[in-house]
Amino acid sequence: AQSVAQPEDQVNVAEGNPLTVKCTYSVSGNPYLFWYVQYPNRGLQFLLKYITGDNLVKGSYGFEAEFNKSQTSFHLKKPSALVSDSALYFCAVRDIEGYGGSQGNLIFGKGTKLSVKP
Amino acid sequence: EPEVTQTPSHQVTQMGQEVILRCVPISNHLYFYWYRQILGQKVEFLVSFYNNEISEKSEIFDDQFSVERPDGSNFTLKIRSTKLEDSAMYFCASIGGTGRVNTEAFFGQGTRLTVV
Repeated sequence: AQSVAQPEDQVNVAEGNPLTVKCTYSVSGNPYLFWYVQYPNRGLQFLLKYITGDNLVKGSYGFEAEFNKSQTSFHLKKPSALVSDSALYFCAVRDIEGYGGSQGNLIFGKGTKLSVKP
Repeated sequence: EPEVTQTPSHQVTQMGQEVILRCVPISNHLYFYWYRQILGQKVEFLVSFYNNEISEKSEIFDDQFSVERPDGSNFTLKIRSTKLEDSAMYFCASIGGTGRVNTEAFFGQGTRLTVV
């Protein structure tokens, strides 16, 4: 079965410092990986995705993620954190087992709360 | 920018009552989903819907749940007889085109359901 793991419940970082939010995945076949952000009392907003191609993927709000096949990781990064980046971040993998029939939903990690202090 | 809209934003209902959560997906999208997020927990898949029928459902989506696309725009989730443990944030999502596997899902802002 396909799955993602976010090993950290919370990440704390000072404004201006680089941030990393970790995600590892387990898939059969090629991974289709996504990052979403959830601000308080808001829905999930798409940040970026990895399908194929360059291992470094750039997304919204200055975020990027590095796909590492050997480590089965897809960590979210930002060179300089902002207080406004404080939110809940979800890594997700597309469930493609049996694709061609009825699959395709997203499987989410449990989420990592990012807290950026001034 | 097109968006998925959900109504109501918050619904309080008594245990045993029926609720209908409503969603208007992005207009040219073809694949529709419901997810839920119990407070403090992960986002969980409930059901996917394509071509006017359920394409997949999770074990959470039991006989108390049903989905419908009654017209060309709305996509609804009905809970027939609500239980306390149904209290959660429910998210609707849609995906467009034929590139389903490599295409991101667009989520609504959610409906917070509170069962008392």
